Amino acid sequence: QVQLVQSGAEVKKPGSSVRVSCKASGDTFRSHIISWVRQAPGQGLEWMGGIIPIFGTTTYAQKFQGRVTITADESARMAYMELSSLISEDTAMYYCAYVRDGADGFNYFDSWGQGTPVTVSS
Amino acid sequence: ETVLTQSPLTLSLSPGDRATLSCRASQSVTNNLAWYQQKPGQAPRLLIYDASTRATGIPARFSGSGSGTEFTLTISSLHSEDFAVYYCQQYNNWPPITFGQGTRLEIK
Repeated sequence: QVQLVQSGAEVKKPGSSVRVSCKASGDTFRSHIISWVRQAPGQGLEWMGGIIPIFGTTTYAQKFQGRVTITADESARMAYMELSSLISEDTAMYYCAYVRDGADGFNYFDSWGQGTPVTVSS
Repeated sequence: ETVLTQSPLTLSLSPGDRATLSCRASQSVTNNLAWYQQKPGQAPRLLIYDASTRATGIPARFSGSGSGTEFTLTISSLHSEDFAVYYCQQYNNWPPITFGQGTRLEIK
């Protein structure tokens, strides 16, 4: 089983950016995908986008296009999600999630990080 | 975008009861549907993928069925640890990957 460990809580001002990291350990599949999913307080799950680290190819939800950047350092087994132009509605728990085989595209999420709470407040 | 509608939003049952949760898709997702369980303060956990395949370590009391636009998650006999929120997710029509709004399974 792959384990994902995320960076710690963040508090940001409106208009600023946040960068959350996710480190994978265990036996990752070559063409795996790391996706980012967020959950506002008391709300459901919202997919933001993902990356195939070995190829560096990314796919984003249209809602976040232009505001989110997902990157990866395959050698370090790290993935990153940066969200810019933060507003209060971006206050949420941000999860990274692992798709074992992304060869045919996005799939179900085999495992999840523990979550990183991001608070946007002036 | 494929919209997933879960019902009911809240289900109140007792331990030992059978739970039936539904997920309806706005267009066909073939069998590319997963179910997750989320407990307070925890990340979601994969239960079922490909509509009916249990993930590793998931007890046999959890089962999934359906294809196309209608799906069901059944818990045959509820244990105390099963009371949680359950989400369906489709991965057939993307982007975007979409989730249902969740069903809260609570103790009656």
